[in-house]
Parts: sequence; structure tokens; C-alpha cells
Amino acid sequence: KAGVTQTPRYLIKTRGQQVTLSCSPISGHRSVSWYQQTPGQGLQFLFEYFSETQRNKGNFPGRFSGRQFSNSRSEMNVSTLELGDSALYLCASSGPGTNTEAFFGQGTRLTVV
Amino acid sequence: AQSVTQLGSHVSVSEGALVLLRCNYSSSVPPYLFWYVQYPNQGLQLLLKYTTGATLVKGINGFEAEFKKSETSFHLTKPSAHMSDAAEYFCAVSAPTGNQFYFGTGTSLTVIP
Repeated sequence: KAGVTQTPRYLIKTRGQQVTLSCSPISGHRSVSWYQQTPGQGLQFLFEYFSETQRNKGNFPGRFSGRQFSNSRSEMNVSTLELGDSALYLCASSGPGTNTEAFFGQGTRLTVV
Repeated sequence: AQSVTQLGSHVSVSEGALVLLRCNYSSSVPPYLFWYVQYPNQGLQLLLKYTTGATLVKGINGFEAEFKKSETSFHLTKPSAHMSDAAEYFCAVSAPTGNQFYFGTGTSLTVIP
């Protein structure tokens, strides 16, 4: 059974640009969550999508957005990049139900210069 | 509201010694608790989880954790440390609905040969 796949693994962008990150969950998983990991703030929840609907949202500015497609694949978009957006972005997928364990991808390392 | 506090951002143990990583939680509802491990430039891997039932939970790689409601704790232990255990460890609690996790700030474990 394939795990959670995130693409790309590494990305370098310039301030002011926008970026789209992709996440393919484990087959059969309909819940996809996104987290930002930085040395200063640790792991912070961005949002969760379930069956193409945003179910939970963290405390991030509107520049951070996401969506989920009918095949459960998810994308995360960050517009008007700032230096502080440099981070490891992790995607996690979960099976049926709530409070179930999350399976994480290897992450996308975003560097904003 | 849910949150976890990990005591000690860095822990060093000798190879073969006991590993004890501390986690205290705060939850307005019966918590679901998790321990994850992260190796450099990798995603998070689930070590173990507590949902309901037996308070002593056994996980992978010889780790176990005990849920103590009276102490609001969920400490992670391993009787004998191995060099391969060197990594970052995260305690997490999940929200009552959805699959949103609240992570601690992490504990970096160093194993000294």
C-alpha cells in the first residue's frame, strides 16, 4: 500500500511569488491535513479537508489556502510569499472516522529567498 | 481546548539506558494521544497511540507509553536505548472532531555510544 506522497520535495521561491504544493493520500483515505513545521513555531496545523470540504482550519492568514479533489488528492497554495513562509510543509492523511491516526508524507521543504 | 507540553527539548541517554520522554496534556474532553518520531528531513512516523481502554500502550521499536489521567500525562519510555533511536519525538493530542492534531514542541533524543 503506497504511503502519502508529497511533491515536490524541495522548492525555492522568491518573495512575492506564489507556490502550490501537492499531496496524494493513502488510497481510501478521505481526510487530508496540512501542517507547517518551523524551528521556531514547531508543527502548526493549517487546515483539514474531508470529501472535498474544508473541515477544520488553523490560525493562518488568508494567503494560505487549499483544496481537495474528488480523488482525495489535495493541494495547498501560498500566495505573496514572505521570508517567514520558509518551512517544511507536511501533509497527513487519515482513514474513516475522526481522531484516527495520521499518516504523514515526507514533506515539501520550501525556501523563500 | 487541547494542547500538549513536552518537558525537555533535548534529552541525552547512553546506549542501553532507559529512555523517558515526558508529555503532559490538556483536554476538555477524553483525549486521544499520540507519539510520533521524526528523522532528519523526513515526515512523522507513528510510534503509538492511546484512544480508549488499556492505559499502557505498546508501540513499535520497543516503545511504550502510559496514560495517567490523574497526572494528565502520557510519557514515552523504552527500557534500553539504541543508537537508531536518535531522532525528534513529538507528543500530540487530537481535536474532538476531525483529524486535527495539536503537537508539542518536540524532544530531540541523543543516544551516546
